[in-house]
Amino acid sequence: AQSVTQLGSHVSVSEGALVLLRCNYSSSVPPYLFWYVQYPNQGLQLLLKYTTGATLVKGINGFEAEFKKSETSFHLTKPSAHMSDAAEYFCAVTPSGSARQLTFGSGTQLTVLP
Amino acid sequence: DTAVSQTPKYLVTQMGNDKSIKCEQNLGHDTMYWYKQDSKKFLKIMFSYNNKELIINETVPNRFSPKSPDKAHLNLHINSLELGDSAVYFCASSRKDIPYEQYFGPGTRLTVT
Repeated sequence: AQSVTQLGSHVSVSEGALVLLRCNYSSSVPPYLFWYVQYPNQGLQLLLKYTTGATLVKGINGFEAEFKKSETSFHLTKPSAHMSDAAEYFCAVTPSGSARQLTFGSGTQLTVLP
Repeated sequence: DTAVSQTPKYLVTQMGNDKSIKCEQNLGHDTMYWYKQDSKKFLKIMFSYNNKELIINETVPNRFSPKSPDKAHLNLHINSLELGDSAVYFCASSRKDIPYEQYFGPGTRLTVT
């Protein structure tokens, strides 16, 4: 079984500051990991994914995440926050490339302060 | 040319009523999903269909019945609505060979009074 824990349900950063959203996972097999973003009143949008290969993955809007197997983590970062980054961010895991079932974390609400 | 669309966007109804939510995708995907997002933003899969065939059916009350008339549509019918059914329901779709890359609709906010 897989599970995802997102530390911090709310994170606030100043515009231009580093964004760090934390995600830890539990999986009995090498996982596929994802970050999704949900803007207000919209559906979820895939931000980036780790499947196999390079452990540092880049996504849209300047976000990146690093898969650290030893720490069972997949934290999301962005060097400089922009007001438009304010949204809910979800980390998700699936046990393999063929599995259809995504298990989502509880989400982190990112607020960007001017 | 919305990729995944849902209707209605908002649905307010009384306990005991029966309602349906419709979903359509124009991405040519084979697989479609229904998710429920509760008031704490927790997102959980309910159903998944692949080419009109039910493949995932999580522990969901049998008052919820998905129907897929064709692979571009997946509707959700809910009988005898209860207060606890209030949530945002998301439809999603994916390619059969990349099931983890899911495209979500804008959601339907269901409020049961």
